[in-house]
Amino acid sequence: EAGVAQSPRYKIIEKRQSVAFWCNPISGHATLYWYQQILGQGPKLLIQFQNNGVVDDSQLPKDRFSAERLKGVDSTLKIQPAKLEDSAVYLCASSLDGRYTDTQYFGPGTRLTVL
Amino acid sequence: DAKTTQPPSMDCAEGRAANLPCNHSTISGNEYVYWYRQIHSQGPQYIIHGLKNNETNEMASLIITEDRKSSTLILPHATLRDTAVYYCIVRATDKLIFGTGTRLQVFP
Repeated sequence: EAGVAQSPRYKIIEKRQSVAFWCNPISGHATLYWYQQILGQGPKLLIQFQNNGVVDDSQLPKDRFSAERLKGVDSTLKIQPAKLEDSAVYLCASSLDGRYTDTQYFGPGTRLTVL
Repeated sequence: DAKTTQPPSMDCAEGRAANLPCNHSTISGNEYVYWYRQIHSQGPQYIIHGLKNNETNEMASLIITEDRKSSTLILPHATLRDTAVYYCIVRATDKLIFGTGTRLQVFP
């Protein structure tokens, strides 16, 4: 079974530029999550999708971050414009249907460096 | 979700059992204890979870005290590839709330 795929693996941009990350969840998984992991900290949830609808985006800085999951499969996370403090690893995870006993499976992450 | 407390770091000799403790004194009756680990430059990986009873799978064993206020993750024969950050998470919703975990270093 293929895991969660993410691209790119690494991205370096200047502050005020825009960037987008892509995630392809495990086939058949209805729930998709984006996390932000700052160096030395645990991952923090940014947004959760159930199929193509947003379930929770309370921690998403909506003035600069946006995410979509068209057709309920792939998802993109965008930052525009980027700030220095956005330097982090962005992790995508998926689970079968979002129940609290569901296992979340994580992708390898995208490491973003903002200069 | 209840808060967890883990030691920031631990060492373990290769081939020995690694016992990683977690305190969750405010856990409530419907909250599960989950363990994930994160190997360097990878995403977190699910290890095991439990509610009241001890659990074992091919990766590890989870021992939960009778009062459920603490638990221990046991890696029975640690290898160098088990070097990682281990996260103990108490969960009653579909959210995973990660702390800073325990950095386990397995040495030869």
